[in-house]
Amino acid sequence: ETGVTQTPRHLVMGMTNKKSLKCEQHLGHNAMYWYKQSAKKPLELMFVYSLEERVENNSVPSRFSPECPNSSHLFLHLHTLQPEDSALYLCASSQDLGSLYEQYFGPGTRLTVT
Amino acid sequence: SQQGEEDPQALSIQEGENATMNCSYKTSINNLQWYRQNSGRGLVHLILIRSNEREKHSGRLRVTLDTSKKSSSLLITASRAADTASYFCATGSNDYKLSFGAGTTVTVRA
Repeated sequence: ETGVTQTPRHLVMGMTNKKSLKCEQHLGHNAMYWYKQSAKKPLELMFVYSLEERVENNSVPSRFSPECPNSSHLFLHLHTLQPEDSALYLCASSQDLGSLYEQYFGPGTRLTVT
Repeated sequence: SQQGEEDPQALSIQEGENATMNCSYKTSINNLQWYRQNSGRGLVHLILIRSNEREKHSGRLRVTLDTSKKSSSLLITASRAADTASYFCATGSNDYKLSFGAGTTVTVRA
């Protein structure tokens, strides 16, 4: 596959739950990204990390909390979500930060908030 | 903010035919990339074209870029059932972000 794995692949959670999404890249890349993909909408960039430092927090509600403990792992911690947060959450990585680098995507986590 | 916008939203073709989709954008870019997404999966990078390039080929894919019209096209020749997917353009500027469109859904009929 692409060298980027995401777990779980599917997640159903209630609005009061706390859960975490995990992403791991096996490519030795220095930049990692979280995107939200909703039906019929463009991908929304949520967070960007470069060498484990957050460089982008794209006006994302605080109920989404990212964590990057090292350059290979990225987490998205979720709490008190809303039904409109149901979407496919995609993790991606690139060799370095810069739009000329292609991004490698994981398969995504399909999140349903009930 | 959304930069690239694909057209058409959906396309249905017969196996063996060519598929063409377009991407328009609003501000200046330094590169444009095309990605494919199979149903329920992540995006896969197909091709990158820089702003000083006009055409690029990769296997059955041909990408053109017209910066004066702020548009790009992706042509898939001799389509196969495995080409059934959504195709996204993504524009890159001088910062690190890629701005994706909403995609063109291509269905290749056997």
